[in-house]
Amino acid sequence: QKEVEQNSGPLSVPEGAIASLNCTYSDRGSQSFFWYRQYSGKSPELIMSIYSNGDKEDGRFTAQLNKASQYVSLLIRDSQPSDSATYLCALGFQKLVFGTGTRLLVSP
Amino acid sequence: EAGVAQSPRYKIIEKRQSVAFWCNPISGHATLYWYQQILGQGPKLLIQFQNNGVVDDSQLPKDRFSAERLKGVDSTLKIQPAKLEDSAVYLCASSYNRIAGGHNEQFFGPGTRLTVL
Repeated sequence: QKEVEQNSGPLSVPEGAIASLNCTYSDRGSQSFFWYRQYSGKSPELIMSIYSNGDKEDGRFTAQLNKASQYVSLLIRDSQPSDSATYLCALGFQKLVFGTGTRLLVSP
Repeated sequence: EAGVAQSPRYKIIEKRQSVAFWCNPISGHATLYWYQQILGQGPKLLIQFQNNGVVDDSQLPKDRFSAERLKGVDSTLKIQPAKLEDSAVYLCASSYNRIAGGHNEQFFGPGTRLTVL
């Protein structure tokens, strides 16, 4: 059974700062990695996917994958109060296994 | 492009009653998933359909949960009889399932919040 570990937080950052969210996993064979954002009372929203070692950038978001060390991270640059949410790390090809999420709080 | 649709959005029932949830995936998406999300946890896969066939139902409590996907489009998830511990959000997701290229982004519907009293 794949395991995905995330710090539950909350991670508090001031507006404009870089938020760094981390995720470690146990299954060395994992090939697909995803970050979902979930606002309170809402469903998960896919924000990033990454499949190869290295960095992938999309706007203010950068996903970083290191398969040798079995971690994946999400950087949010110029954090905004609207980024305050729970960020879920997930991995898998067909069947996704989710972490418990990290709660991010961005203060004005 | 319309997203994944689910209904109802909220449901409150007494324990031992039955309940059903409906999902309509994104048009053209062959794969449909039902997840259970308990407060404070990540979603947990209950069942996965590829067209109208079951791919994975290893975590579905089959003594009380059932699901079907007739005609390979809409799906229903049923609980009968419900227990207190079934209180959760039930999420439906779909994916295009591009076998070539090997990656499979899943998109979630708004979910159904179930409260069992």
